[in-house]
Amino acid sequence: GAGVSQSPSNKVTEKGKDVELRCDPISGHTALYWYRQSLGQGLEFLIYFQGNSAPDKSGLPSDRFSAERTGGSVSTLTIQRTQQEDSAVYLCASTVSSGVRLGTDTQYFGPGTRLTVL
Amino acid sequence: ILNVEQSPQSLHVQEGDSTNFTCSFPSSNFYALHWYRWETAKSPEALFVMTLNGDEKKKGRISATLNTKEGYSYLYIKGSQPEDSATYLCAFMDSNYQLIWGAGTKLIIKP
Repeated sequence: GAGVSQSPSNKVTEKGKDVELRCDPISGHTALYWYRQSLGQGLEFLIYFQGNSAPDKSGLPSDRFSAERTGGSVSTLTIQRTQQEDSAVYLCASTVSSGVRLGTDTQYFGPGTRLTVL
Repeated sequence: ILNVEQSPQSLHVQEGDSTNFTCSFPSSNFYALHWYRWETAKSPEALFVMTLNGDEKKKGRISATLNTKEGYSYLYIKGSQPEDSATYLCAFMDSNYQLIWGAGTKLIIKP
């Protein structure tokens, strides 16, 4: 049984470029989360998907950030016109959701994408 | 603003010694408290989910306690081993299902 996978594992980009980060959740997991961790900070919630819809986009830091999920599976996080403050590790997690956001469900994390904006 | 604090930020422990560290969270509207372990170059891995005041959970040499009235949880590691080196994260969920993560305690075991 494959776990959560993310690609690329590392991404170095120039300021102003767009980047796409991909997450493949565990098969059958309906809930998918995106987080980021900047240096020395805790995990920052970005967005949550239940199926293909995103009931909670409250964590997206600006309109340069967007995410979509297709087929109830793969999700893509897109950052447009990247800035240096976007440099962070971006983590994806999935969970078998009982309909209650996280609750006591265990989140299964991917290995993350380390984004460096020069 | 909900805030979850973990202390210490980092900790060096001699192999074989026992240690503990703290997660502090709001004492109102508690729903659940999660502990995760995040080893370098790996994914965060769930350790415990705790929901009731006074809960104690144990997994091998690692255990955790929960005090929801005063808003803290302790994680204990008995007889530290090199493989325990990791960042330990806690996450607090309130009754509105808002999830807030701490910045973690980085544990380094010295051989």
